[in-house]
Amino acid sequence: QKEVEQNSGPLSVPEGAIASLNCTYSDRGSQSFFWYRQYSGKSPELIMFIYSNGDKEDGRFTAQLNKASQYVSLLIRDSQPSDSATYLCAVNRNYGQNFVFGPGTRLSVLP
Amino acid sequence: ETGVTQTPRHLVMGMTNKKSLKCEQHLGHNAMYWYKQSAKKPLELMFVYNFKEQTENNSVPSRFSPECPNSSHLFLHLHTLQPEDSALYLCASSQDLALDNSPLHFGNGTRLTVT
Repeated sequence: QKEVEQNSGPLSVPEGAIASLNCTYSDRGSQSFFWYRQYSGKSPELIMFIYSNGDKEDGRFTAQLNKASQYVSLLIRDSQPSDSATYLCAVNRNYGQNFVFGPGTRLSVLP
Repeated sequence: ETGVTQTPRHLVMGMTNKKSLKCEQHLGHNAMYWYKQSAKKPLELMFVYNFKEQTENNSVPSRFSPECPNSSHLFLHLHTLQPEDSALYLCASSQDLALDNSPLHFGNGTRLTVT
């Protein structure tokens, strides 16, 4: 089992819809969870992070964490074509800054 | 300059060449990282430095040699690389290894092609 799993996509949603990106992880000791966005040919940029069970909202983005199910998701409301990118889920295990990245989900928002 | 700066942005080198990648961070962070990103593969951690000391070497071949002279600068020295080493090499920094919620801040990367 891979440590961090994501559907590779592409996930296609129409403009204005809600995009839902999912991530599962295998290490129950994981403490912090991060979502990065990476445009083609660019470096990853942080969208948000979450470390408590439940929802965390930042503008159009909502991260959801369920540690019992080892599942973290990112919702993007009112999706825009500019949101088209690869979204990387990263998990930080509880011993130092030991980030493990998922393979990323490619999102395509159609005008 | 702000953030994390990497040079060069693009590098083409032969298998017998020696070159170096440079990374500089202006965020006052204490930890710096090298990651490798190959097509269709997750980001792979290569090296971690905390307060200039190497804390992790993720089974990286010796043809990759890191150097961290201070908390703001990180180098990756390359020699006798293989074509499969062609990838995007990303430098990142974070505030401190002890802070679980401290995110990574990435540089723009160096696109390396080995011919």
